Amino acid sequence: EAGVAQSPRYKIIEKRQSVAFWCNPISGHATLYWYQQILGQGPKLLIQFQNNGVVDDSQLPKDRFSAERLKGVDSTLKIQPAKLEDSAVYLCASSLVFRDGYTFGSGTRLTVV
Amino acid sequence: TQLLEQSPQFLSIQEGENLTVYCNSSSVFSSLQWYRQEPGEGPVLLVTVVTGGEVKKLKRLTFQFGDARKDSSLHITAAQPGDTGLYLCAGATGGTYKYIFGTGTRLKVLA
Repeated sequence: EAGVAQSPRYKIIEKRQSVAFWCNPISGHATLYWYQQILGQGPKLLIQFQNNGVVDDSQLPKDRFSAERLKGVDSTLKIQPAKLEDSAVYLCASSLVFRDGYTFGSGTRLTVV
Repeated sequence: TQLLEQSPQFLSIQEGENLTVYCNSSSVFSSLQWYRQEPGEGPVLLVTVVTGGEVKKLKRLTFQFGDARKDSSLHITAAQPGDTGLYLCAGATGGTYKYIFGTGTRLKVLA
């Protein structure tokens, strides 16, 4: 089966600019997650979707981050405006059933200068 | 906020040596997973444990879930350079449907 697709792989922007990341999960996976992984740390959950509804966005900095999952398939994560501390790898993951492992995409490495 | 501490943070060993990585928390987990992440890639699931005291083996890797379901360990026998990577534990507490990741252990196996 095809894996979780993410794009772009790399992005460099100036602070205060906006940026968007795209994720296409594995077909049939109802649950989709966005994680932020700062260099040298474990991934931190930003938002969890079940189909096209938000299950948990308690760790999402809502003043600058937004995410949507239209039609319960693809998802986009947006940052506007970006700050230097947003430099990180943004990982998308999907799962079929809660206790199944997540399948992660390769991530988008964001550098804010 | 539950916190998963992993130790050691960094580990550099020679090929053929054995090692153990630990994952500890004050929270009780309904399930715990171990992942390995290589540079430039997302984490890849190695195992899921759900029962206190459970032991699972994956070739040279042995995973154990603590009796109280608050901690876990990963033991690698006869490490190989291909085992190099970032090892992450992730736990989910009862009633939630999300995994919180640990701080990670970066392993380097030298040939």
